[in-house]
Amino acid sequence: QKEVEQNSGPLSVPEGAIASLNCTYSDRVSQSFFWYRQYSGKSPELIMSIYSNGDKEDGRFTAQLNKASQYVSLLIRDSQPSDSATYLCAVPSGRYGDDKIIFGKGTRLHILP
Amino acid sequence: SAVISQKPSRDICQRGTSLTIQCQVDSQVTMMFWYRQQPGQSLTLIATANQGSEATYESGFVIDKFPISRPNLTFSTLTVSNMSPEDSSIYLCSVILGGEGETQYFGPGTRLLVL
Repeated sequence: QKEVEQNSGPLSVPEGAIASLNCTYSDRVSQSFFWYRQYSGKSPELIMSIYSNGDKEDGRFTAQLNKASQYVSLLIRDSQPSDSATYLCAVPSGRYGDDKIIFGKGTRLHILP
Repeated sequence: SAVISQKPSRDICQRGTSLTIQCQVDSQVTMMFWYRQQPGQSLTLIATANQGSEATYESGFVIDKFPISRPNLTFSTLTVSNMSPEDSSIYLCSVILGGEGETQYFGPGTRLLVL
């Protein structure tokens, strides 16, 4: 059974600082990786996807992927109180585009005003 | 991305009754998924619903308890049968869009409370 591991938190970060969220996965053949944000009482919202080793930046968000270490992270620069949410790491269960996605349990992030 | 709607958005039900949740997508999709998220927990996949075939259920979930229909490429229903308070949860419909790889999008969810 493929696994996706995240620290459940809560992770508390001062406003304006960098929040760093980490995720490890068990399947070496995984090719794509996703980060979802979920506000309390809402459904998950896709915020980043990454397919290649290295960094991918989108606004204040940077996803980092290291396939050799089976590690993917999400950095949030200039953290805002509105970033307070649960962040879910997700990895497809197979090689192909139509496989179901395995979700981590999520990390709760709390930005301190 | 896709526009995904679910009905009802929330409901309060009595023990022993059944509730059918509808999921509508504004584009044709091959794969639809039904998830459950209990309070304070992460997402748990109930089943994968593909048009034209039986739904595929995950371990711990059975068709008698969670029958699913998938009559076409834009619509699916999930029924929660013979409900108990343990079924109180958020139920989420999700789709993978063609042309966007494995990217998965979620509906707004149905909040269910069983008394």
